[in-house]
Amino acid sequence: SQELEQSPQSLIVQEGKNLTINCTSSKTLYGLYWYKQKYGEGLIFLMMLQKGGEEKSHEKITAKLDEKKQQSSLHITASQPSHAGIYLCGADTGNTGKLIFGQGTTLQVKP
Amino acid sequence: KAGVTQTPRYLIKTRGQQVTLSCSPISGHRSVSWYQQTPGQGLQFLFEYFSETQRNKGNFPGRFSGRQFSNSRSEMNVSTLELGDSALYLCASSWAPPVTEAFFGQGTRLTVV
Repeated sequence: SQELEQSPQSLIVQEGKNLTINCTSSKTLYGLYWYKQKYGEGLIFLMMLQKGGEEKSHEKITAKLDEKKQQSSLHITASQPSHAGIYLCGADTGNTGKLIFGQGTTLQVKP
Repeated sequence: KAGVTQTPRYLIKTRGQQVTLSCSPISGHRSVSWYQQTPGQGLQFLFEYFSETQRNKGNFPGRFSGRQFSNSRSEMNVSTLELGDSALYLCASSWAPPVTEAFFGQGTRLTVV
C-alpha cells in the first residue's frame, strides 16, 4: 500500500460547490506540501504545512494539518473551472527533504 | 524573480543512448531534487543535491546519476536508456533542506523509442 494515500482519486463538482481532498500518511509528517498540476506540466506550489494544527489559506483554498501530523485536508470553497486539475500531496516523513507523493486527485469543475 | 527552469522541455531518444537534463533553480536556492513521473508509478524521488553534494538518493538503478554545480544548477544523466525510462522528469528547488518550500519546474518530457 502507498505510504501516502489521497482520497478521493477523482472528483467532479458543479461550479460554486465546495469540496475537500484528503491526504493520509502512515508516518509522522515533518512537512506536508500541496501542489496542483495540469496534465503533463510542472507542479504549482500551493501550500506547505509543518506544525500540527496548522492551517493556511490562499484565495479560496485552505489546507490543514491535523494535530497528530498524519493527515491533511485541502478544501476549496465555491469552486471555479480554473480550479480543475490534479491535486497532489507530498510529504517529508523523515525530515530529510525527500518527498513522497500521493497518487493525486483529479478534479473536474462543471460550469 | 525567475522560477525553476528545466531544459530541454521535450526529448526523443533511442534505446541504448544516454541523455542529460538540466535544471536551474530559483536564484538563492541551494537545494535541487529530481523526480520521475509516470502514469503507472506516479511521482518518484530520484535524488537531492545541496551545496554540490548528493544528500539523498531514491531507489533507481545506477544508470541514473546527477550532479550539482557551484552555482546550484543541476544536471541529471540517464545512460543506456530503456523504454521504461520514458517519463516526465521534474526538478524542485528549495532554499535549503530539509523542510522548506519546494518549487517545481515545468519538467522535461523524455520519450525513449
